[in-house]
Amino acid sequence: GENVEQHPSTLSVQEGDSAVIKCTYSDSASNYFPWYKQELGKGPQLIIDIRSNVGEKKDQRIAVTLNKTAKHFSLHITETQPEDSAVYFCAATPFGNEKLTFGTGTRLTIIP
Amino acid sequence: GAVVSQHPSRVICKSGTSVKIECRSLDFQATTMFWYRQFPKQSLMLMATSNEGSKATYEQGVEKDKFLINHASLTLSTLTVTSAHPEDSSFYICSASPPSGGGITDTQYFGPGTRLTVL
Repeated sequence: GENVEQHPSTLSVQEGDSAVIKCTYSDSASNYFPWYKQELGKGPQLIIDIRSNVGEKKDQRIAVTLNKTAKHFSLHITETQPEDSAVYFCAATPFGNEKLTFGTGTRLTIIP
Repeated sequence: GAVVSQHPSRVICKSGTSVKIECRSLDFQATTMFWYRQFPKQSLMLMATSNEGSKATYEQGVEKDKFLINHASLTLSTLTVTSAHPEDSSFYICSASPPSGGGITDTQYFGPGTRLTVL
């Protein structure tokens, strides 16, 4: 089955700087890679996703890159703000409506 | 669009009782819903896949008689924790996915979660 590794487990960034979180996956059949943000006591919120036919996707301050050959994808947050502090999870699946395999999560702390 | 709700948001019960958690897709029909369990400071662990009109598919190690799942309609799935014990205390989260080819991309949207505490 699929195995997703996520690094780092914790990340502290000065406000205004950029944050990068990286994930690797094992199953070449995976084609859909969403990123979720989870705040304390809440459910995960989809923030951006990417499919295997695209190498990069951007939505305002958030971007995701995908390297299918190397089987890794990354989340980039620029101009970080205190409200970006949360736990971020990457995931992988063959199709978006099939079960997701999650990474272990990254606790991002933005230092004011 | 793509809103998933859960009820209740938190529940406290005595050991030995059963607890039902509802998951609803509010603005789309979901042929598939997923149930996850999350312990503090850990990732989400898939418990089962709930398919409308058929039996749920449970992940290895998850007791199907302990965690009863019913997906009776295209907008509602329920998880019943039977004879709950303190070790069942956890954060339970559902997700729902619209059918492929619909107006919304075939991705998963998560509910807000239900905090279960068994005394």
